[in-house]
Amino acid sequence: GENVEQHPSTLSVQEGDSAVIKCTYSDSASNYFPWYKQELGKGPQLIIDIRSNVGEKKDQRIAVTLNKTAKHFSLHITETQPEDSAVYFCAASKGGGSYIPTFGRGTSLIVHP
Amino acid sequence: GAVVSQHPSWVICKSGTSVKIECRSLDFQATTMFWYRQFPKQSLMLMATSNEGSKATYEQGVEKDKFLINHASLTLSTLTVTSAHPEDSSFYICSASNPGRFSYEQYFGPGTRLTVT
Repeated sequence: GENVEQHPSTLSVQEGDSAVIKCTYSDSASNYFPWYKQELGKGPQLIIDIRSNVGEKKDQRIAVTLNKTAKHFSLHITETQPEDSAVYFCAASKGGGSYIPTFGRGTSLIVHP
Repeated sequence: GAVVSQHPSWVICKSGTSVKIECRSLDFQATTMFWYRQFPKQSLMLMATSNEGSKATYEQGVEKDKFLINHASLTLSTLTVTSAHPEDSSFYICSASNPGRFSYEQYFGPGTRLTVT
């Protein structure tokens, strides 16, 4: 089955800095890669996603890049703010009827004011 | 759009009793719902997948007689933890999807904190 590795497990940055979280996946058939933000005591919230036919996607301060050849994808957050502090999960899944995602272990992002 | 609610948000029950958790898609029809369990500082562990009107498909190692899942309508799925024990204490999260409308996206509920004493 699919295996998703996520690094780092913890990331501490100063407000205004950029943050990068990286994930690798093992199944070359995976074609959908969402990123979720989970605040303490809440459910995950989809913040951005990318499909395998696209190499990069951007939404304001958040961007995701995908390298299908190397089987890795990354989340980039620019101009970080304290409210960006949360746990971020990457995931990978195959489309069609079998789209159950495999999640990474999560990255705890701490943005210091 | 794409809002999923869960009820209750937290529950405390005594060992040996059963607890029911509801998951509702508020503004869309969820053809598929997922139930996850999450331990502190860990990732989400998929427990089961349910399609409306069908029996749930449980992941390996999840006791289907202990975690009863019912997906009776396109907007409601329930998870019942039967004969709860302290080791069942966890954060339970549901998610919902509708491939015809949202393609691959899943939308998560806010979670339910279960504490078994």
